[in-house]
Amino acid sequence: QSVLTQPPSVSAAPGQKVTISCSGSSSNIANNYVSWYQQLPGTAPKLLIYDNNKRPSGIPDRFSGSKSGTSATLGITGLQTGDEADYYCGTWDSSLSAWVFGGGTKLTVL
Amino acid sequence: QVQLQESGPGLVKPSETLSLTCTVSGGSISGYYWSWIRQSPGQGLEWIAYIYYTGSTKYNPSLKSRVTISVDTSKNQSSLKLSSVTAADTAVYYCARLIGNTFDYWGQGTLVTVSS
Repeated sequence: QSVLTQPPSVSAAPGQKVTISCSGSSSNIANNYVSWYQQLPGTAPKLLIYDNNKRPSGIPDRFSGSKSGTSATLGITGLQTGDEADYYCGTWDSSLSAWVFGGGTKLTVL
Repeated sequence: QVQLQESGPGLVKPSETLSLTCTVSGGSISGYYWSWIRQSPGQGLEWIAYIYYTGSTKYNPSLKSRVTISVDTSKNQSSLKLSSVTAADTAVYYCARLIGNTFDYWGQGTLVTVSS
């Protein structure tokens, strides 16, 4: 059972938009920055979004992040088959004194 | 471009100590925090620990009693030791650079299987 809650899976058609939620609490998301990671099949996680809504160099603006209260959201527009991956949210948990991640969401582009 | 490479035995016997090394290239280990994260087969990510280049550390409370993390600035390496391993410690182990609140660079990961 992960500290941060993500839907196990989401799906959408190519070209469409999808959002992935990440629900936490006052000890983690509400008071700390959230980052998002993309893990393509058989590869290491890759940073997608940091500090709630910032994109590293090289990440297309199809990817966006937001945070409100104890929840964060990853948005992906103009879906491509190459976006099929597992997506994880992560943040620091002040009560646990540990970094915590969501359980991951598998994105299927139909 | 910073690159991280994990190395170490792929097979460890139960009750023994898992030892891994992360070698950083394309940049200095100094000035940054370095972390270890693992992923059990088919499962999510679990943070293990982080270390500052000066040697200060922070461990996941759930693993703290069994984990030691260290850094060697002369070799640009970070190391992880996990003692008294069981099958539950079978996982892909990643090293990653921690900057601010973000793991910005990750190694490719190394699979460690605990089995007799």
